[in-house]
Amino acid sequence: DAKTTQPPSMDCAEGRAANLPCNHSTISGNEYVYWYRQIHSQGPQYIIHGLKNNETNEMASLIITEDRKSSTLILPHATLRDTAVYYCIVRVSFQGGTSYGKLTFGQGTILTVHP
Amino acid sequence: AAGVIQSPRHLIKEKRETATLKCYPIPRHDTVYWYQQGPGQDPQFLISFYEKMQSDKGSIPDRFSAQQFSDYHSELNMSSLELGDSALYFCASSPVAPRPQETQYFGPGTRLLVL
Repeated sequence: DAKTTQPPSMDCAEGRAANLPCNHSTISGNEYVYWYRQIHSQGPQYIIHGLKNNETNEMASLIITEDRKSSTLILPHATLRDTAVYYCIVRVSFQGGTSYGKLTFGQGTILTVHP
Repeated sequence: AAGVIQSPRHLIKEKRETATLKCYPIPRHDTVYWYQQGPGQDPQFLISFYEKMQSDKGSIPDRFSAQQFSDYHSELNMSSLELGDSALYFCASSPVAPRPQETQYFGPGTRLLVL
């Protein structure tokens, strides 16, 4: 799976948009970009994923550059409960009859949302 | 909505003892993953099962074994416990469909303390 690079920490004011960048310059054509977050010692929580098009769901938006070498996770209106470690993960998709679904967690970005 | 269930939530063992962690995936999920997260570390993949067969293996010690049963629940068996096995153990499950964009949903974890 491709390696990702994220800033170790970021701050955001409550109510403002949080934009979390991720670099994945070695991503392959069959690899998806996934975002998970982990709120203090809880199980990682799925946020969003995409292949090459921008994606949006009720939690966040994912912007993937045209060359797919980087992406940005956007939390449109951050709240205090969004304080967590955010992981950008690139992995090959399920293939054939075997799951290649393991997630390789890197360092992640510690997002702190302050009042 | 039903979530991944892990039991026990907390476990205290002595060195050289054995421990069994259980994971009950979300209904109609056929794939189970196990991850280990040491203190201050990121989650690390241990092992996964797809349709009751081992599908992938990570950095799982030989002292550990796991299996997935006919009802899709999984158990992680840990023998000859060492102090370094103290960690959070997460189980995640993913659904039969849609492929290839499988998404993993994590349980709350089992906190193991080896004394």
